[in-house]
Amino acid sequence: KAGVTQTPRYLIKTRGQQVTLSCSPISGHRSVSWYQQTPGQGLQFLFEYFSETQRNKGNFPGRFSGRQFSNSRSEMNVSTLELGDSALYLCASSLDDREILGTQYFGPGTRLTVL
Amino acid sequence: DAKTTQPPSMDCAEGRAANLPCNHSTISGNEYVYWYRQIHSQGPQYIIHGLKNNETNEMASLIITEDRKSSTLILPHATLRDTAVYYCIVRVTGGGNKLTFGTGTQLKVEL
Repeated sequence: KAGVTQTPRYLIKTRGQQVTLSCSPISGHRSVSWYQQTPGQGLQFLFEYFSETQRNKGNFPGRFSGRQFSNSRSEMNVSTLELGDSALYLCASSLDDREILGTQYFGPGTRLTVL
Repeated sequence: DAKTTQPPSMDCAEGRAANLPCNHSTISGNEYVYWYRQIHSQGPQYIIHGLKNNETNEMASLIITEDRKSSTLILPHATLRDTAVYYCIVRVTGGGNKLTFGTGTQLKVEL
């Protein structure tokens, strides 16, 4: 099976712009989670989508949003970009949230640089 | 989810066993211990998980103490490619897939 794919891999934006990142989960996986990784804050959970519904949300401002489509593909959007949004954005998919099925598989990430 | 404590860094000689400790003294009865690792700038990779019994797979072994307050991840024959940040995470399964990452242990495997 193909792994989790994320596009684009690298992105440069300027302050005030908005950005949309895409994630395609492993075939058959219904849960998609997003994480932000920065040198200062480490890996932080953004949100999780399961069957097109947001199931969990981290402590991020409303500028960060996401959605999931019927084929489980997910997008996240960041509006009004700030310098501090520069980070590696990681997507993870899993089949379910029970013991074995809840194992999450991460994509390679999208490196976002805000100038 | 319970908080975990790990040493910030460890060194290991190639070919030797790497033993990475994790303290999770406030773990609840329904929380599992998961281990992930992240090789520089790549996405985290699942290694192993367990509830209370010791577990082994092709990558590693997980030893959980009887009181479940701590655990050890064992890489039996570390190689240079095992150099990574290792994260110990405790989480409840069911109700969502949120992982709370700590700062992890930077394992450096050297010749």
